[in-house]
Amino acid sequence: NAGVTQTPKFQVLKTGQSMTLQCAQDMNHNSMYWYRQDPGMGLRLIYYSASEGTTDKGEVPNGYNVSRLNKREFSLRLESAAPSQTSVYFCASSKGDRGPGELFFGEGSRLTVL
Amino acid sequence: RKEVEQDPGPFNVPEGATVAFNCTYSNSASQSFFWYRQDCRKEPKLLMSVYSSGNEDGRFTAQLNRASQYISLLIRDSKLSDSATYLCVVNGNNQGGKLIFGQGTELSVKP
Repeated sequence: NAGVTQTPKFQVLKTGQSMTLQCAQDMNHNSMYWYRQDPGMGLRLIYYSASEGTTDKGEVPNGYNVSRLNKREFSLRLESAAPSQTSVYFCASSKGDRGPGELFFGEGSRLTVL
Repeated sequence: RKEVEQDPGPFNVPEGATVAFNCTYSNSASQSFFWYRQDCRKEPKLLMSVYSSGNEDGRFTAQLNRASQYISLLIRDSKLSDSATYLCVVNGNNQGGKLIFGQGTELSVKP
C-alpha cells in the first residue's frame, strides 16, 4: 500500500519562482490536507479539502493555492515563492465521513526558498 | 491565544519513568481529540484517539477534561523507543473540517 505519496521530496527555489507540490492517496479517502511544519511552530494547516470539489482555507493560506483535482489528488501551488515559505510540507488524508478521524501523512516535501 | 497549546519541553526522563503531557485547546465546540507521535524528520503518525471516558493502550493513557479544555497523555515505564515529539490534535468546530496541531512536546528517554 502506497498510502499518501508526495512529490517532490526536496526542492530548492529562488525567490519569485513558482512550483506545485503534488499529493495523491490511494485509500479512497474523502478529505485531504496540506500542512507546513516549521521549527517550534508545530504543523500549521494551509488548506484542506473536506471532499472532492471543495477546498477551504486553514490557518496560513496566504501565498498558496490548491486544487482538488479528483478524489485522489490534492495539489499545492506557490505562485511566487518567498523565503518565508521555506518549510517542510506535509500532505495528509482522512476518511472524513464522520468527523476528521485518523490522518495519514505523506513523507513530507522539504522546500528551500533562497 | 493559540487554538492548541502544548509545553514544548524537552522532557528528559530516565528509562522506566512515568511522564505526563498536557495540552489545552481554546474552542469549546471541539469534538475530536488525538495524540500523534512524530519521530525526527518523519511524518506524524496517530498514537491514540482521546475519548470522553478516557482510554488506555498498553503503557499509554489519554484523558479529556472538557470543563477545563485540556487533554493529557500519560506514558508509564518509559522506553528508549518512546523518544519522539508528541503532538496534540484537536478538530475545529465543524465535523470533518480542519484539524489543528499543537506545537508538540519533545520527549527524550535516557538509559
